[in-house]
Amino acid sequence: EAQVTQNPRYLITVTGKKLTVTCSQNMNHEYMSWYRQDPGLGLRQIYYSMNVEVTDKGDVPEGYKVSRKEKRNFPLILESPSPNQTSLYFCASSLSAGTRREQYFGPGTRLTVT
Amino acid sequence: TQLLEQSPQFLSIQEGENLTVYCNSSSVFSSLQWYRQEPGEGPVLLVTVVTGGEVKKLKRLTFQFGDARKDSSLHITAAQPGDTGLYLCAGAGAGGTSYGKLTFGQGTILTVHP
Repeated sequence: EAQVTQNPRYLITVTGKKLTVTCSQNMNHEYMSWYRQDPGLGLRQIYYSMNVEVTDKGDVPEGYKVSRKEKRNFPLILESPSPNQTSLYFCASSLSAGTRREQYFGPGTRLTVT
Repeated sequence: TQLLEQSPQFLSIQEGENLTVYCNSSSVFSSLQWYRQEPGEGPVLLVTVVTGGEVKKLKRLTFQFGDARKDSSLHITAAQPGDTGLYLCAGAGAGGTSYGKLTFGQGTILTVHP
C-alpha cells in the first residue's frame, strides 16, 4: 500500500530534550516536506526537500533540523524543544517538486513539550 | 513570504444549501490545490488546478482558479452531512525564493446539519 508513515504518533517530552520524528514514504517520491498545524493558523511549512541531499527552509524553520540522506526518509529533528513547538506535525511527499506538487500526507504526530 | 487568505474560517449550514469558500493572495502560484481533512487524519487531496481560469468539477464540488493564478474558490452544491470537515487550499510557489514551497490557507471548518 502506497503510504507515508510517521513515528511516533504521539509524544510528550520536556523542554530541551532532543527528539526525532521519523518520516518514510514508499512511493519513490522526489519531494518531501514537514508541516506543523496549529488552530487558526492552518498548515505551515517547516522544511522541504526536492531531492536527496537537497533541503530548504519553509516559512517556520527556526528550532528544527532535517536531513535527506535517502530518498524515502525525511526525519525532523528538534535539538532543544520548547513549549512553543507543541503542535500537530505532518510529513508529506509529492511525486515531483514541479508545478503540481500534490502532497500525500502522513497520519500526523502530536507533540507536547512541557 | 507568500500568504493565502482563506475565508470564511467557519461555515455552519443546513443540508441542501450551497456554499463557497475563497482563497485569495497577492502572489502568483504555479498551481492551487484543495484538500479535505478529517479529525485525527492527514489532509487528503481533492483537486489541483494549474491553468488560470481553469474550472474543475468533482461531483457536487466545483473548483476555480483565478485568471491571474492568485486566487481560487471551492463551491459545493446541495451540501450533505458527509461534506462536513476541514477544507484547506494550498498554493505552490511559482518561482524565485518561493519555488519548492507550498503555502496553505488557514482552513475552513464546514459543518452541514441534517
